[in-house]
Amino acid sequence: DAGVTQSPTHLIKTRGQQVTLRCSPKSGHDTVSWYQQALGQGPQFIFQYYEEEERQRGNFPDRFSGHQFPNYSSELNVNALLLGDSALYLCASSISGAGNTIYFGEGSWLTVV
Amino acid sequence: AQSVTQLDSQVPVFEEAPVELRCNYSSSVSVYLFWYVQYPNQGLQLLLKYLSGSTLVKGINGFEAEFNKSQTSFHLRKPSVHISDTAEYFCAVSDTNAGKSTFGDGTTLTVKP
Repeated sequence: DAGVTQSPTHLIKTRGQQVTLRCSPKSGHDTVSWYQQALGQGPQFIFQYYEEEERQRGNFPDRFSGHQFPNYSSELNVNALLLGDSALYLCASSISGAGNTIYFGEGSWLTVV
Repeated sequence: AQSVTQLDSQVPVFEEAPVELRCNYSSSVSVYLFWYVQYPNQGLQLLLKYLSGSTLVKGINGFEAEFNKSQTSFHLRKPSVHISDTAEYFCAVSDTNAGKSTFGDGTTLTVKP
């Protein structure tokens, strides 16, 4: 049973460019959350998708957007990249419901130059 | 709003010694509490979680944590650490929606021979 898979694992972008990161949730999971983890910090919640709708959102600007597909996979899009967007982007999946364990992927390392 | 404070940014300890990683949280509602471990260049792995019931929670790899509601703490302990426990440890709090978690800034546990 595959866990949460993310792609790409590493990428380098230039300031002002746009990036799309992808996530396939663990089998049977219907909820996908995205987190940004800057170097030396804990993960920060970006948003969560359930039934193809954004259900919750953290304190991130509109440059950060996402999508969930009917097969529950998800994309994170970041427009007009800034140097400060350089981070590890983590996808987490779960089964909707209080207290259900969330499983993290290994992340996508984004470097903005 | 919720917040998590991990009281020690770095904890060095000798192999086979006991260790405690401290975590305090604040929340205006009932919470679920989690400890995750992150090895270099990897995603987060759940060590243990507190949802309700017994305040002493046992997790994987010999770790346990105690929920103390009056002190709003959820400290992680292990009676005897191994070199392989060297990693970053994150405490997290979640509301009724398990997908949205607030993380602390992490504690680096370094186990020395």
